[in-house]
Amino acid sequence: GENVEQHPSTLSVQEGDSAVIKCTYSDSASNYFPWYKQELGKRPQLIIDIRSNVGEKKDQRIAVTLNKTAKHFSLHITETQPEDSAVYFCAASGPAQTGANNLFFGTGTRLTVIP
Amino acid sequence: DTGVSQDPRHKITKRGQNVTFRCDPISEHNRLYWYRQTLGQGPEFLTYFQNEAQLEKSRLLSDRFSAERPKGSFSTLEIQRTEQGDSAMYLCASSFSFFYNEQFFGPGTRLTVL
Repeated sequence: GENVEQHPSTLSVQEGDSAVIKCTYSDSASNYFPWYKQELGKRPQLIIDIRSNVGEKKDQRIAVTLNKTAKHFSLHITETQPEDSAVYFCAASGPAQTGANNLFFGTGTRLTVIP
Repeated sequence: DTGVSQDPRHKITKRGQNVTFRCDPISEHNRLYWYRQTLGQGPEFLTYFQNEAQLEKSRLLSDRFSAERPKGSFSTLEIQRTEQGDSAMYLCASSFSFFYNEQFFGPGTRLTVL
């Protein structure tokens, strides 16, 4: 099965700086890579995702890059704000058409933005 | 609120008791997933429904666990003879897209087994 590794486990940045979280996956058939933000005691919230047919996607201060050859993908947050503080999870999923639909999650990165 | 909902939000039970959780997905979503999340870890897949059919089950889903989605709408997850190791957050997610798999999560049910 798929194995997703995520680094670092904790990350502290000054407000306004950038944060980068990296993930690797093992199954070359995976083609969908979402990122979730989870605040304490709350549900995971989908913040951005990328499909295997693109290498980069950006949404305001958040961007995700994908390198299918190396089987790794990264989350980039620019101009960090205190409200970005949360645990971030990467995940990978196989093609929806084949029935391999469940998400395999990384172990999470606790991001702290210091005002 | 038109998002995924779960009930109850918290459940405390004694070891050996049975518990049942409910998930109501986003109304037009035909796919429903159950995950389990323990402290400091990412969610782990338990099982998946497409409409009323249970199509996939994880090895994590022992025979004490059973899930149903009788009419292809809400789903229930039952744990029989609960053990302390069952203590976790049980998350439900739903999805609609055929080609890609955007999953939206509910708030979870936190189970504590004493």
